[in-house]
Amino acid sequence: GAVVSQHPSWVICKSGTSVKIECRSLDFQATTMFWYRQFPKQSLMLMATSNEGSKATYEQGVEKDKFLINHASLTLSTLTVTSAHPEDSSFYICSATTGTGFYEQYFGPGTRLTVT
Amino acid sequence: RKEVEQDPGPFNVPEGATVAFNCTYSNSASQSFFWYRQDCRKEPKLLMSVYSSGNEDGRFTAQLNRASQYISLLIRDSKLSDSATYLCVVQIFGNEKLTFGTGTRLTIIP
Repeated sequence: GAVVSQHPSWVICKSGTSVKIECRSLDFQATTMFWYRQFPKQSLMLMATSNEGSKATYEQGVEKDKFLINHASLTLSTLTVTSAHPEDSSFYICSATTGTGFYEQYFGPGTRLTVT
Repeated sequence: RKEVEQDPGPFNVPEGATVAFNCTYSNSASQSFFWYRQDCRKEPKLLMSVYSSGNEDGRFTAQLNRASQYISLLIRDSKLSDSATYLCVVQIFGNEKLTFGTGTRLTIIP
């Protein structure tokens, strides 16, 4: 159990366009979802924490108007990269958890974004 | 100073060898500790939690030293399938957020 899916698994887009990435918990209800970004040979960096029905909490340095997060249901969160630029090319990974405090975070398989 | 620091490696060790990774964390409010494994171009997967008393799972042993703010992972009788990047992860009490180290890359050589 505890499967998280992401769609798409990879995407190539042109500079200036927007890209939406979906994160779904397939067999559980996720009270909280997290969005991470990972550049080559670097660690996962948390971008934002998202709770169903409320506004996402963004980490310092992450532009909330550029990375739009919507968590409309307990099984779906979306990340939209608006006006993408080549420096936004990265591996975007979501995770989901069933509670607060420490509950294991279940990670999606990631989405590789390349902006040309 | 980074919140979680690891030796990036790479560690290239022969099959069957024992290898140890270290990790230090800077926030003394850190309460929960984990080792994750990440294969190339894949998502991280929980390998094991780390408890104050130390814990073992098969060939893997994790240790925590709160006084020194230091975590270790020992892999015995290494297998080719152990080749991956090992991420040290900490969580502050009362906060869902996980903080990841940069990872230590391990390659097991046949």
